[in-house]
Amino acid sequence: QVQLQESGPGLVKPSQTLSLTCTVSGGSISSGDYYWSWIRQHPGKGLEWIAYIFDSGANYYNPSLNSRVAISIDTSENQFSLQLSSVTAADTAVYYCARGNRFLAWFLDIWGQGTLVTVSP
Amino acid sequence: VLTQSPATLSLSPGERATLSCRASQSVSSSLAWYQQKRGQAPRLLIYDASRRATGIPARFSGSGSGTDFTLTISSLEPEDFAVYYCQQSTNWVTFGGGTKVEIK
Repeated sequence: QVQLQESGPGLVKPSQTLSLTCTVSGGSISSGDYYWSWIRQHPGKGLEWIAYIFDSGANYYNPSLNSRVAISIDTSENQFSLQLSSVTAADTAVYYCARGNRFLAWFLDIWGQGTLVTVSP
Repeated sequence: VLTQSPATLSLSPGERATLSCRASQSVSSSLAWYQQKRGQAPRLLIYDASRRATGIPARFSGSGSGTDFTLTISSLEPEDFAVYYCQQSTNWVTFGGGTKVEIK
């Protein structure tokens, strides 16, 4: 059974770069039948899509975050990563990685448990 | 933009829940519904507007196309009290603001 697990620092200072990795287990990240996504949720708020990437490296970003976001994939490690630069307190959120599934019209069928990232001095 | 209503729905177990999601422009049938319980990741319930994901009970059903969509829970079970989000994938990926289904 495929599982996703986020990892990375729980505390980032303002103006620095937030870096998170999602490790995929129980299946291969190298399949054109899936894309690999990052979504965040501000405390007590709704969901915000950040970006997604295919195993080919093709990627798509939320236009509102585009200038600060980079998503990458490492098929040899079965991982994909997120970098968000110039963070502020407004980037404090729970960050989820998730899988988009072609067989489910590309909707998100498997999610990681989420990791809280706090931006604070 | 996806607008969900109501923001909060107060119902008793056994009652029927009707949640609405309206898109600012047509998304055809490219809409999904997720359930999120406190402290957990969202779970896919419905995709393609009306198809139940694997393992989702038959009391959950989705309908609609274009700009107006509905998630119906025919008879609320105690474990159904949660927040529900709609999501479209036609124009990038966006989520609605959520509807909280709470115990009355």
